Formats: sequence, structure tokens, C-alpha cells
Amino acid sequence: DGGITQSPKYLFRKEGQNVTLSCEQNLNHDAMYWYRQDPGQGLRLIYYSQIVNDFQKGDIAEGYSVSREKKESFPLTVTSAQKNPTAFYLCASKGQEKETQYFGPGTRLLVL
Amino acid sequence: AQSVTQLDSQVPVFEEAPVELRCNYSSSVSVYLFWYVQYPNQGLQLLLKYLSGSTLVKGINGFEAEFNKSQTSFHLRKPSVHISDTAEYFCAVSGPTGGGNKLTFGTGTQLKVEL
Repeated sequence: DGGITQSPKYLFRKEGQNVTLSCEQNLNHDAMYWYRQDPGQGLRLIYYSQIVNDFQKGDIAEGYSVSREKKESFPLTVTSAQKNPTAFYLCASKGQEKETQYFGPGTRLLVL
Repeated sequence: AQSVTQLDSQVPVFEEAPVELRCNYSSSVSVYLFWYVQYPNQGLQLLLKYLSGSTLVKGINGFEAEFNKSQTSFHLRKPSVHISDTAEYFCAVSGPTGGGNKLTFGTGTQLKVEL
């Protein structure tokens, strides 16, 4: 089955700790995206990548970092600089189908 | 810059009744419009999209939406809802913003279907 997987489903972060959220897709899509979802605020774009080894900041990139070493993978690191990391994180990808992004199941990050 | 407004944060409706979820957007250029549905603790699932052509778009689960350029709206409708339609619905817009094909989302509308 083709799709987007995110792991883990739940992640706990301690103060001062960096944590990495995984996003993998086997859809052969070129573009990948990371969004943050907070209650009542919709989704906000953190980072996106249109091609391997290239990525751009979104609207709320501060305190986050990404890499795109492989087409299938786009991990997101939440650094200790992100002071309010508790949220639901969604990964998406887009292929040749015009403008259309498809989403993974999400990772919920909680702070201990 | 693009923006999306979903005026109703919550819409309660009885089962088998019709429903309309409102979405208005602002953009100075041609846009592409989307509706996504999110069930609790899950990702977003594409319901339907407008890219070009007919302004009435049909999607999955019996939903449809109409693109109205003069009113800059893309309201979502279903003639008869079911309990299983209870979820959060997001309207989104994408346009030729110079790169990335980024989506701008509304704040969502929680549809609650009651017996």
C-alpha cells in the first residue's frame, strides 16, 4: 500500500531535549511538508522541501530543523529552542497531481 | 498574501438534515481550493478540490462544494448528514505564490451530527 507514515504516534519531550519526528512516504512524491496544528488555529507550515537536498522555511520555522537526504524521508527535529512544542504535527507530500497534498496520520508531541 | 476564513467554529446538525460549512478566501490571483476532513487524532483526508472548470465540485462521502469567484467563497454542502460525518473540516487555498505550492488553511469547522 502506498502512503505516508509518521512515527511515533505519541512523543514526550523533556526540558532542554531535542526530539525528532519521522515522516516517510512511498508515493514517489517530490515535495514534502511539515505542519503544526494547535486547537482553534488550523494548520501552520513549518518547513517544506520541493526536492532532495533542498528545503525552505515556512511561516513558523523558529525552533525547528529538517533534512531531506532521501526522497522518501523528511524528518523534523524539534529543538530545545522551541519553547512551546506541545502540538499535533502533520507531514504531507505532493506529487504530480496538481497542487494536491496528502497527509500522514500525525504525531502528538507532549512536554513532560 | 492569501487567507481563508471559516466563520463557523462549530456546526451542530441533526442526522439526515442538510448542512453547509462556509469558507471564504482572499487572494489577488487565481487560486486552487480544497476541503479536508479530520477525524479525532488522525491526519487530514482530502474531501474534494477545485482547480479549474466546473464550479460545482463533487467529492467523497456525498459532499460537494461550489466555487463562487465573485463572492470569493467555496462552501461545502451535504444534503443529508450521517453520524459518521462528525469530524473537523478544513478549507484551504493554494496559489501561484512563487514556489512551494503552499496551502493556507482556515481555522476549521467542527461538525457535530446528533441523533
